[in-house]
Amino acid sequence: EDKVVQSPLSLVVHEGDTVTLNCSYEVTNFRSLLWYKQEKKAPTFLFMLTSSGIEKKSGRLSSILDKKELFSILNITATQTGDSAIYLCAVGNSGNTPLVFGKGTRLSVIA
Amino acid sequence: ETGVTQTPRHLVMGMTNKKSLKCEQHLGHNAMYWYKQSAKKPLELMFVYNFKEQTENNSVPSRFSPECPNSSHLFLHLHTLQPEDSALYLCASSPLAIGRDTQYFGPGTRLTVL
Repeated sequence: EDKVVQSPLSLVVHEGDTVTLNCSYEVTNFRSLLWYKQEKKAPTFLFMLTSSGIEKKSGRLSSILDKKELFSILNITATQTGDSAIYLCAVGNSGNTPLVFGKGTRLSVIA
Repeated sequence: ETGVTQTPRHLVMGMTNKKSLKCEQHLGHNAMYWYKQSAKKPLELMFVYNFKEQTENNSVPSRFSPECPNSSHLFLHLHTLQPEDSALYLCASSPLAIGRDTQYFGPGTRLTVL
């Protein structure tokens, strides 16, 4: 059974800190790993990673995938209160089954 | 704007009521999904429709009944729910219901069952 484990489950940091969120996975015929940010309601798409070692970057957020060790990290530098959210990791395979989501990491950034 | 809309945004219902949740996507996708999100639990996939055909039902109780009349619309019919069914119900869509496709989520319906 495909599995996605995120850590930590929750994290509290001060504005300006840098955080690293972790996502490890076990999936048959891995195809892609996705990161989402969920604030109040709908998760919004951040990154899709398919290749090892290639960093995806968007502003202060970046992510990288390690297909050998089966994990990904999401980095947020110079955190702001607006970064407070649940960050979801999901993994897709090459077959016909939909994405498998982790439990998420709840990040709280305090001023 | 996500391209996936859900109505209503909030719903309070008694255990004997019958109600329906509606989802509509304007992205030209062919797959649609219902998820349940309870406090402190991961997203739980409930149903998947691919080209209007149900391809997955994750052991969801029969008090939840999905309907997909076309690739743009998805309904979740609710009847005789239990208080533990209170949760955020999220609809999503993707080009196809395959693992590599990014899913785009609607804003969700916050359901409270009294």
